[in-house]
Amino acid sequence: DAGVIQSPRHEVTEMGQEVTLRCKPISGHNSLFWYRQTMMRGLELLIYFNNNVPIDDSGMPEDRFSAKMPNASFSTLKIQPSEPRDSAVYFCASSWAPNQPQHFGDGTRLSIL
Amino acid sequence: RKEVEQDPGPFNVPEGATVAFNCTYSNSASQSFFWYRQDCRKEPKLLMSVYSSGNEDGRFTAQLNRASQYISLLIRDSKLSDSATYLCVVNFAGNNRKLIWGLGTSLAVNP
Repeated sequence: DAGVIQSPRHEVTEMGQEVTLRCKPISGHNSLFWYRQTMMRGLELLIYFNNNVPIDDSGMPEDRFSAKMPNASFSTLKIQPSEPRDSAVYFCASSWAPNQPQHFGDGTRLSIL
Repeated sequence: RKEVEQDPGPFNVPEGATVAFNCTYSNSASQSFFWYRQDCRKEPKLLMSVYSSGNEDGRFTAQLNRASQYISLLIRDSKLSDSATYLCVVNFAGNNRKLIWGLGTSLAVNP
């Protein structure tokens, strides 16, 4: 069975550039989550969707970050403009419901120079 | 008080040892509890759900103590492959029902 699929696996870019991360959730899962993980702050929830609708975006750091889920099988997280402090591993996860076990993608390792 | 708290460790134990981690949570109305495992530079993976009656999966036992608001994970006969970070996850019993993650407890099992 296909799990959560994220792309790209790695991204290195210069500050000021736009970065777009992509996620395909597990088919049939109704909830999708975007996380950021750093050594200092651990795993932070940025935003989550339920049935393609954003429910809680209180974790989105600032207006430079935006996320969309145009349909049940695709979501994007965009950073524009990117800054060095955005460097982290970004995970996408999906689940049947917001309080059910989540399945994670392999993550995108983002480095902003 | 943080919503979910864990001792970051690291816990260094020899092979074959028994080790236990606790995780405290602040919201007494929380109803879903999980333990995840995360290997270095990998994604978190579900280890086990935690049920009110406690549950066991091989060498792993999870317990819930609602009165004191903590969950525990016990690992018996630890293996080198158990070395990882163990993340405690608790649902936030609010309107949006999201899960809250602890920062994790690091375990190193030594030969």
